[in-house]
Amino acid sequence: SAVISQKPSRDICQRGTSLTIQCQVDSQVTMMFWYRQQPGQSLTLIATANQGSEATYESGFVIDKFPISRPNLTFSTLTVSNMSPEDSSIYLCSATLAVQETQYFGPGTRLLVL
Amino acid sequence: GENVEQHPSTLSVQEGDSAVIKCTYSDSASNYFPWYKQELGKRPQLIIDIRSNVGEKKDQRIAVTLNKTAKHFSLHITETQPEDSAVYFCAASKGFGNEKLTFGTGTRLTIIP
Repeated sequence: SAVISQKPSRDICQRGTSLTIQCQVDSQVTMMFWYRQQPGQSLTLIATANQGSEATYESGFVIDKFPISRPNLTFSTLTVSNMSPEDSSIYLCSATLAVQETQYFGPGTRLLVL
Repeated sequence: GENVEQHPSTLSVQEGDSAVIKCTYSDSASNYFPWYKQELGKRPQLIIDIRSNVGEKKDQRIAVTLNKTAKHFSLHITETQPEDSAVYFCAASKGFGNEKLTFGTGTRLTIIP
């Protein structure tokens, strides 16, 4: 497996503001993804983070609301823009290791929007 | 797109008994089926996975079976222990771990001592 870290681990934000979440992997990876998990719910894919190009978004998620960057193979950021209380959730990044074909998850960022 | 259904949503079993969780998927192109365990406040952890060229895979007390014809796969936990209590998610993908995962709705497993 690999060590996947996320920053911040949690945050409380005011509506209308933006928060950028960072994801760092300590091994070479092929793919990186961002998921959202509402309390007590399953995981929903927001987008696939593509290195050096625009992310691929799932239905219901748009770049203006969730801009994603992946400047190199092992690092990605997700920004939650113009937040509302409905954005309160856990945001998780995942990565597929170059030597394996399995996805591992970061510890998540717990976001509360007031 | 892919749709994954998972049953049951909650499951309680006596310690030492077996637990079975079932999932069905809709896209016949899916070829990779991982299972994740998520304890309260923790990240999902991969516990076992199976690829479409295999019908069954075992790892100690955990096993997964796959029926491609019926498009369903199951998680079997034998000799359950209190530390098996968690939420379990199945998932499906069309490109092993290199493709996006579509998750089931989760099963909350409680082991009764």
